[in-house]
Amino acid sequence: DGGITQSPKYLFRKEGQNVTLSCEQNLNHDAMYWYRQDPGQGLRLIYYSQIVNDFQKGDIAEGYSVSREKKESFPLTVTSAQKNPTAFYLCASHEGLDYGYTFGSGTRLTVV
Amino acid sequence: QKEVEQNSGPLSVPEGAIASLNCTYSDRGSQSFFWYRQYSGKSPELIMSIYSNGDKEDGRFTAQLNKASQYVSLLIRDSQPSDSATYLCAVNGPGNTGKLIFGQGTTLQVKP
Repeated sequence: DGGITQSPKYLFRKEGQNVTLSCEQNLNHDAMYWYRQDPGQGLRLIYYSQIVNDFQKGDIAEGYSVSREKKESFPLTVTSAQKNPTAFYLCASHEGLDYGYTFGSGTRLTVV
Repeated sequence: QKEVEQNSGPLSVPEGAIASLNCTYSDRGSQSFFWYRQYSGKSPELIMSIYSNGDKEDGRFTAQLNKASQYVSLLIRDSQPSDSATYLCAVNGPGNTGKLIFGQGTTLQVKP
């Protein structure tokens, strides 16, 4: 079955540590997105990529980095510069501008 | 003013009643509108999309769009306890980027 796989499901980060969240899709979608969700809030866009080897900052890109070396993969690194990283991170993709997103199951990141 | 606004709720309805969820948006150029359902601790899943003024029905769900009033709504008929979730309204962002802008979500509680 086609879909988006995010790993790990839960991740714990120590102060000053960089961590990388994995997002892999087998839907053959060109566009991929990373969103962050805080309790009681909607989704906020971190980074997006419309094509391999190209990506753009979203509304809250500070403290995050991404790469898009393969169509299937769009990993997100949460750097030590992100001072409040505890949140639910969602990766999404779509097959066209008029289609809604398919979401992965999410990664819940907690600072310890 | 937020770009996409929803009443956070909770909205409580008895089983079998009609639940009405509302969303307003600020960008008159928006063309694509989506409703997502998100169960607690899970990722959002697409339940309805609408692009033209008027109503669109899919089973117990009806999406309504009024571009002149910049208003989109979701009606759930014969509400079931399994419909209890947070419902997110999403609107396409500016430019051909595929970005979606999400409201903060409305929590629906269906009481048996």
